Amino acid sequence: DADVTQTPRNRITKTGKRIMLECSQTKGHDRMYWYRQDPGLGLRLIYYSFDVKDINKGEISDGYSVSRQAQAKFSLSLESAIPNQTALYFCATSEGGLKEQYFGPGTRLTVT
Amino acid sequence: AQTVTQSQPEMSVQEAETVTLSCTYDTSENNYYLFWYKQPPSRQMILVIRQEAYKQQNATENRFSVNFQKAAKSFSLKISDSQLGDTAMYFCAFMKLGSNDYKLSFGAGTTVTVRA
Repeated sequence: DADVTQTPRNRITKTGKRIMLECSQTKGHDRMYWYRQDPGLGLRLIYYSFDVKDINKGEISDGYSVSRQAQAKFSLSLESAIPNQTALYFCATSEGGLKEQYFGPGTRLTVT
Repeated sequence: AQTVTQSQPEMSVQEAETVTLSCTYDTSENNYYLFWYKQPPSRQMILVIRQEAYKQQNATENRFSVNFQKAAKSFSLKISDSQLGDTAMYFCAFMKLGSNDYKLSFGAGTTVTVRA
């Protein structure tokens, strides 16, 4: 079984709809991250969390919100989706001493 | 965020040959890590290799090796004996130490195609 899972894997939604992307991990890591990938831009950080009480904005947080429901779960919400939020979204986890991040399989989101 | 630049959008290499991907970064930090991630068509992000800035010795992982030039802020990846399974997008990434958040800053990526 995968250590970091994301649901859904693919989603098509309409402009103005609210959508939630979910991430779960079984690695026991304390830190969780949400990135978005766009062609020619690489991956950019949206939000990150040290634990359930600590949420931090990344470089492109506008239009997004997150919830850390438990150490193992970190959800990303688009309150009112717009077409330029069409992208590939990745969740990642890390443990303080390990330094490296482990990525989920990604969610491809299309906003029409 | 730190700036990471990958100047080669696409590269093509013949199977069994060697290809080198370039990466430069801009930072005033002294303590950091550098990474190369591979993203095959499955889109899974896979860690290829990691380099600690305090180590002078270049990291190697089987057919993958890096040339880390700290003064020049350069971190290139060499893939030797290229295989068809190496076809993927490769991302260079920077992680600043000391802030305890371990955020990654990524380059735009280089698409590598290995030809049979």
